Amino acid sequence: ELKVEQNPLFLSMQEGKNYTIYCNYSTTSDRLYWYRQDPGKSLESLFVLLSNGAVKQEGRLMASLDTKARLSTLHITAAVHDLSATYFCAVDLGSKLTFGTGTRLQVTL
Amino acid sequence: DTGVSQNPRHKITKRGQNVTFRCDPISEHNRLYWYRQTLGQGPEFLTYFQNEAQLEKSRLLSDRFSAERPKGSFSTLEIQRTEQGDSAMYLCASSLVGTPTEAFFGQGTRLTVV
Repeated sequence: ELKVEQNPLFLSMQEGKNYTIYCNYSTTSDRLYWYRQDPGKSLESLFVLLSNGAVKQEGRLMASLDTKARLSTLHITAAVHDLSATYFCAVDLGSKLTFGTGTRLQVTL
Repeated sequence: DTGVSQNPRHKITKRGQNVTFRCDPISEHNRLYWYRQTLGQGPEFLTYFQNEAQLEKSRLLSDRFSAERPKGSFSTLEIQRTEQGDSAMYLCASSLVGTPTEAFFGQGTRLTVV
């Protein structure tokens, strides 16, 4: 059974600092997605990573995928308050997504 | 609005009652998924359809749960004899099959069983 683990589960970030969220998964896959969820809201797609070595960037967020290590990272550069949310990685085995536990980010001044 | 639409957004029901939720996917998407999310957890897969065929069901989907997608367009998820443990956010998503692409999620239906 596929297991997807994220760490940390909670991250308190200072504005302007850099941070990284890690997503490890247990079964070979070359498709991984990152989503953002605001409290009480649905999931917003951030990145689609479809091959080993894939790197995508949007604003202050950059995601990468290492399929050999079964690891994806979400790097936050110069955090701002607007990035406060919960971030999920999800692994695609072809028929459905298996989500990680989520990382709750809180950006403070 | 051409996104995934779910109704109702909120539902409060008494234990033992039946509830039904509806999902309208993005019109050209042929795959439709149902997920359940409890507080502080990631979404858990329940079932998915490709066109009108239900292709996979999770072990989480007890016999009290049934989902349909009769014409390959909208879908319904029914929970019979609701229990307090059914309280959760029920999320619907849709995608295109054939090309790896992200699933787009609806706003969800929050169910509270009292």
